[in-house]
Amino acid sequence: DGGITQSPKYLFRKEGQNVTLSCEQNLNHDAMYWYRQDPGQGLRLIYYSQIVNDFQKGDIAEGYSVSREKKESFPLTVTSAQKNPTAFYLCASSNRGSGEQYFGPGTRLTVT
Amino acid sequence: DAKTTQPPSMDCAEGRAANLPCNHSTISGNEYVYWYRQIHSQGPQYIIHGLKNNETNEMASLIITEDRKSSTLILPHATLRDTAVYYCIVYQGGSEKLVFGKGTKLTVNP
Repeated sequence: DGGITQSPKYLFRKEGQNVTLSCEQNLNHDAMYWYRQDPGQGLRLIYYSQIVNDFQKGDIAEGYSVSREKKESFPLTVTSAQKNPTAFYLCASSNRGSGEQYFGPGTRLTVT
Repeated sequence: DAKTTQPPSMDCAEGRAANLPCNHSTISGNEYVYWYRQIHSQGPQYIIHGLKNNETNEMASLIITEDRKSSTLILPHATLRDTAVYYCIVYQGGSEKLVFGKGTKLTVNP
């Protein structure tokens, strides 16, 4: 079955540690995205990539980093510089130029 | 910032039609209206989109006013599984960016 997988579903880290969230898709989509969602809020765009080896900052990129070495994969690293990392993180993919994005199940990160 | 305005919450009886409104008075001629929904603690799911004409698929219908300043998403026979937050999004083709507001929390009651 085609789709997007994110792992793990729940992640716990101590403050000051970097953590990498996984996102993999087998939909053959060129574009991939990372969003953050806080309780009761909409999604906010962190980073997006339209093609392998290229990515752009979204609205809240500070404290995050990404890589796009393969078409299928778009991992997100939450660094220790991110002041409030505890949130629900969602990955998505789409064909380029399309507003129809397919979302993964999300990773809930808790940093204490 | 989101270019749409939606009521924060709505209720609907099971089996009845759910009509979710959205205002997008500053929409440009080349911008589409997209609807997504998010069931609690899951990733959002695409529902439908349109430019000018009304659209229908297996999930819902989208009615866009003639001046394109507002639209309505219609779930014709709401079920308990339709309880979710519904997001109306104005999207510029090729921009690669969806801007999510807070959406409308629809509660379908038995």
